[in-house]
Amino acid sequence: DAKTTQPNSMESNEEEPVHLPCNHSTISGTDYIHWYRQLPSQGPEYVIHGLTSNVNNRMASLAIAEDRKSSTLILHRATLRDAAVYYCILRDEQSGYALNFGKGTSLLVTP
Amino acid sequence: DAGVIQSPRHEVTEMGQEVTLRCKPISGHNSLFWYRQTMMRGLELLIYFNNNVPIDDSGMPEDRFSAKMPNASFSTLKIQPSEPRDSAVYFCASSPAAVDYNEQFFGPGTRLTVL
Repeated sequence: DAKTTQPNSMESNEEEPVHLPCNHSTISGTDYIHWYRQLPSQGPEYVIHGLTSNVNNRMASLAIAEDRKSSTLILHRATLRDAAVYYCILRDEQSGYALNFGKGTSLLVTP
Repeated sequence: DAGVIQSPRHEVTEMGQEVTLRCKPISGHNSLFWYRQTMMRGLELLIYFNNNVPIDDSGMPEDRFSAKMPNASFSTLKIQPSEPRDSAVYFCASSPAAVDYNEQFFGPGTRLTVL
């Protein structure tokens, strides 16, 4: 599987936008970019995914670089409830059934 | 829909005892996954079922671990005999189909402590 690199931790103020980066320089053309997050004492939850184009949903936006070697998860207005570990995961046809979680980015949101 | 249901939520047992974890996937989902989370190893896939059939159990640590899915609405993960190093949070997840663009829905997890 192609690997992803994320900062260990980030901090944000409440109600401000948050940009969570992910590097995946060895991504292949068929790899989907998925983001999950894990709130304290809960199971992971799906946030968003994309292939080539930027994506928006009710939770977040995903900005994918033109060469697809990096992506950014954007939380438009961070709330205290967004404090979690955010995982950037690549999935392809061969590993399509498995989510290979790395260490993720621990996001701290302060009031 | 109630989401993925796991039981028990917490389990404390003594070394050598048998432990059974249970999972009810979301109705209509064809794929079921068991993951384990520890501080040292993070989240790792143990086994994956598709249409009740085990597809890949390469993540199962050893023969003490076994998983079954007798029907589309129920799965178990059994550890016999349990050891202290099995202490972890065990998550069950389900998905409409195990393809690379589908999301997985996770249960709340079972926190297992083996003394």
